[in-house]
Amino acid sequence: DAGVIQSPRHEVTEMGQEVTLRCKPISGHDYLFWYRQTMMRGLELLIYFNNNVPIDDSGMPEDRFSAKMPNASFSTLKIQPSEPRDSAVYFCASRGDNSPLHFGNGTRLTVT
Amino acid sequence: GENVEQHPSTLSVQEGDSAVIKCTYSDSASNYFPWYKQELGKRPQLIIDIRSNVGEKKDQRIAVTLNKTAKHFSLHITETQPEDSAVYFCAASLRGSTLGRLYFGRGTQLTVWP
Repeated sequence: DAGVIQSPRHEVTEMGQEVTLRCKPISGHDYLFWYRQTMMRGLELLIYFNNNVPIDDSGMPEDRFSAKMPNASFSTLKIQPSEPRDSAVYFCASRGDNSPLHFGNGTRLTVT
Repeated sequence: GENVEQHPSTLSVQEGDSAVIKCTYSDSASNYFPWYKQELGKRPQLIIDIRSNVGEKKDQRIAVTLNKTAKHFSLHITETQPEDSAVYFCAASLRGSTLGRLYFGRGTQLTVWP
């Protein structure tokens, strides 16, 4: 298996623009997680899905953030409009019921 | 929800020495405790995990111990090498339910000096 696949690896955008991050979980994994990592706040859970259904989105910072999982093999995290304080590394991760959590390589977002 | 505390936040050791990182958790129902290693610019990767029905688990130079009564668990790295330098995260969760998210500690930056 290729592991959790995220795109893009790097994203540089201007404040106010829409940003869309993409994730393909490991096949057969029914949990998908979106994390944000910064020096100040560490690894923060933003939202997670079970069988494509959002279970807990309490970590989503504001209404500017939204996430979808239209099917078992794809999820998006969207920020609209983006702000400089959204600059961070965003990780997608997936796991099965009895398997460990596997992270993707992350998307480094810079908002200028 | 669960609260995981991790100490120390930074740790420097000489090559060949041992390193110990400690974590505490608050929810006695938590039953799964993984440890992740994150090298600079890379993704966190699982290095070892332990379930609550086991008190200790070892894999070559790394070991994890769990004290359910005290609600703490530790990572032990023996004969450290420079390539062990990374940020280490502990986590806790309740597996086998839709509440099965991981709660992460804040991380420990381990530096191994040659």
